[in-house]
Amino acid sequence: KAGVTQTPRYLIKTRGQQVTLSCSPISGHRSVSWYQQTPGQGLQFLFEYFSETQRNKGNFPGRFSGRQFSNSRSEMNVSTLELGDSALYLCASSFALAGDGDTQYFGPGTRLTVL
Amino acid sequence: AQSVTQLDSQVPVFEEAPVELRCNYSSSVSVYLFWYVQYPNQGLQLLLKYLSGSTLVESINGFEAEFNKSQTSFHLRKPSVHISDTAEYFCAVSETGGYNKLIFGAGTRLAVHP
Repeated sequence: KAGVTQTPRYLIKTRGQQVTLSCSPISGHRSVSWYQQTPGQGLQFLFEYFSETQRNKGNFPGRFSGRQFSNSRSEMNVSTLELGDSALYLCASSFALAGDGDTQYFGPGTRLTVL
Repeated sequence: AQSVTQLDSQVPVFEEAPVELRCNYSSSVSVYLFWYVQYPNQGLQLLLKYLSGSTLVESINGFEAEFNKSQTSFHLRKPSVHISDTAEYFCAVSETGGYNKLIFGAGTRLAVHP
């Protein structure tokens, strides 16, 4: 079974631009979560989607948004990029049958560099 | 709100020695507990998790962790480490009913030396 895939793996943008990252979950998984990983702040939860609905959101500004499609694939968008948005963005998927406590399977991440 | 504290940012150890990576958490509600490992340039992989039942949980590669409710701890141990265990280890909690939102600790870098 294929794992979680994220595209692109690396991205370089300049301040003020916007970016869209994509995540394809493991087949059959309906929940997709996004995390930001930086050396200073560590791993921080961005948001979680289940059946195209955002169920939970972290403490990030409105510039960070996401969506989930009917096939469970998810995208996250960051508008008006700032230097501090440089990070590894990780996507994770799970069955979410029980609602919580499910094992989350992480993708390799997208490394975003903002110049 | 929950928080996770990993007490050691780096742990150097010699091959075949035992190791303990410490994790304490704070929460006003029931939580699930997880240990994830991250190898260089890769995503996170689940090592083990505690949901309920026996407080001692084991992974397939020799790691174990014990949930201690009174001390709000979930320390990770391995009796004999290998060079291949060199990685960053993250402790995480999720609130029951919290829709899989993971709160991570800052991570512990385990460096196994020959």
